[in-house]
Amino acid sequence: NAGVMQNPRHLVRRRGQEARLRCSPMKGHSHVYWYRQLPEEGLKFMVYLQKENIIDESGMPKERFSAEFPKEGPSILRIQQVVRGDSAAYFCASSPGTAEAFFGQGTRLTVV
Amino acid sequence: DQQVKQNSPSLSVQEGRISILNCDYTNSMFDYFLWYKKYPAEGPTFLISISSIKDKNEDGRFTVFLNKSAKHLSLHIVPSQPGDSAVYFCAASAQTASKLTFGTGTRLQVTL
Repeated sequence: NAGVMQNPRHLVRRRGQEARLRCSPMKGHSHVYWYRQLPEEGLKFMVYLQKENIIDESGMPKERFSAEFPKEGPSILRIQQVVRGDSAAYFCASSPGTAEAFFGQGTRLTVV
Repeated sequence: DQQVKQNSPSLSVQEGRISILNCDYTNSMFDYFLWYKKYPAEGPTFLISISSIKDKNEDGRFTVFLNKSAKHLSLHIVPSQPGDSAVYFCAASAQTASKLTFGTGTRLQVTL
């Protein structure tokens, strides 16, 4: 049973470009969460999705960031017009509806 | 506003001894608490959890204690092993399957 799969593991973007981060949850998990970890900080919640629905986006920046979890395919976190401050590790987690969430390896975004 | 606090950024323990990691929270709505372990450049790994209706949960070498009146929980690892050296995050949620609020982490080093 594969764990949470995130790709790419590393992503380099120039300022102003778009970044797309993908997350495939564990088999049987319909709840997906995105977290961001800035250097030397803890993990901060961004958004919680179920299939085709955003349940809680209270942690998402108001501009440039969006997330989706379509009926088919992985969840996508999209960052438009990236800036240097977006450089961070982005983690996806999934759960079957319990409090225990299981994390992927993360995508390390570097904006140059 | 840091709702989950880990006041010790680092802890060093000798192999074979007990490691005690502490966590305090301020939000009375939290009713589920989790501990995660994280190695550099990897995603957090779920270790153990506890519901607010309990005061102790044990899994092998790991035991979590919850003191609701003090809004305090702790993770005990005994005996500590060199492979336990990692950053440990405390996390809390207000309801099943909702977002997790993380502490800033405690770096545990287990020495020989």
